Order: sequence, then C-alpha cells, then structure tokens
Amino acid sequence: GAGVSQSPSNKVTEKGKDVELRCDPISGHTALYWYRQSLGQGLEFLIYFQGNSAPDKSGLPSDRFSAERTGGSVSTLTIQRTQQEDSAVYLCASSLARSPLHFGNGTRLTVT
Amino acid sequence: GQQVMQIPQYQHVQEGEDFTTYCNSSTTLSNIQWYKQRPGGHPVFLIQLVKSGEVKKQKRLTFQFGEAKKNSSLHITATQTTDVGTYFCAGPGADGLTFGKGTHLIIQP
Repeated sequence: GAGVSQSPSNKVTEKGKDVELRCDPISGHTALYWYRQSLGQGLEFLIYFQGNSAPDKSGLPSDRFSAERTGGSVSTLTIQRTQQEDSAVYLCASSLARSPLHFGNGTRLTVT
Repeated sequence: GQQVMQIPQYQHVQEGEDFTTYCNSSTTLSNIQWYKQRPGGHPVFLIQLVKSGEVKKQKRLTFQFGEAKKNSSLHITATQTTDVGTYFCAGPGADGLTFGKGTHLIIQP
C-alpha cells in the first residue's frame, strides 16, 4: 500500500511569509510525528499526535509553529512569519501505537 | 526528560573494516529501535529489540540490547559502500519516540 506522503517536496519562501506543510499518513496509523532535520544533523522532535488525544506540542520551537491533525488522518504543520533559521527538512512519520515509524520523504524548506 | 545519546557522531572506515555505534538512554527502555538514513533520504526502520540481553542479526549487521535495557549497539562486519549513511537509535518515551543524534558512517574505498 501507499506510504507516508508529504507535500510539497520542496518549498522556497521569503522571510516573513507563512507556509503550510502537509502529511498524509499510512491509512490506519494512529500515531503521527513531525520532526525537523537540519543538514547533517539529527532528528529534532516537533509534535506528536496519538489517536484522539491532545497532541504533545512540547517540541515546537516557538509560537510561530502550529500543527493540526484533522479526523485523525492528514496533518498540517504551519509556520508563520518564517525566519531563515526555519530552513530545514521537515519529516513526517506515522505508526501504529508503539510500533516502528514509517517516514515520508520530507519537505525541504528554504527561507530566503 | 528522557535522553538518548549515541557515539561516535562520525566514523570513517576503510571499506571492509568493521563499524560499531553505541546508544545509551538515560532511562530504562521497553524497547529500542534502529533506523538507517541514506544521504538525501529519509530514515528507514531496521530492527526493534525488546528483551534484555537480546541479540539479533541481519546479514552483516548485529544488534544488541543491554541487560539493563538502557544501552544498545549496532555492529557492521566488513563494511561495504552500500552501508554509507546515518544510523539512529530510538527509544519510546513521553513524546512517542526519542531519537539519538545518529552516527554518520563514512566509507573510504
């Protein structure tokens, strides 16, 4: 079946603009994660959705970042008033509860 | 909060040499997972270890889970150029899954 789908694959935006990144998880996966990865670096946890529970937002770096998951499926990560330090690859992953993660190909965000 | 640490951060080896990366958690883990990320790619799940002292093999890769379930290692025998990439360990925590910073494996032919 289809894997985790992320769009767009690449996004170039001007500093100060808002961006929306989309993640379509594997059907039936209850857990959804967003991570950020700067070039050559590790995975920085951003937010975690599990079923219908309130999301764990503890990893969001500032109040410019927000995420939602509609109907327990598709998720959108929104970055308002983008800054150059927001440039990175944003990875989404989904899983059944406590099982291994399946990652999407990521969205490469460049803020100019 | 939970921390997962990996060493080394970078490892250069000659093709054919062995490679080992080590993972340590600040808390006892119910399981540990290993992922591989090729350059330009996304992390891909390799294996999950659950039992204390567990050892699993996948061809040239050997994974171990410590007796105290707080550390783990990945050993690659006779590295090949296809082994290039970053190897991450990850353990379940309050935030779902906590990843180590990864070990970058660089292979010189």
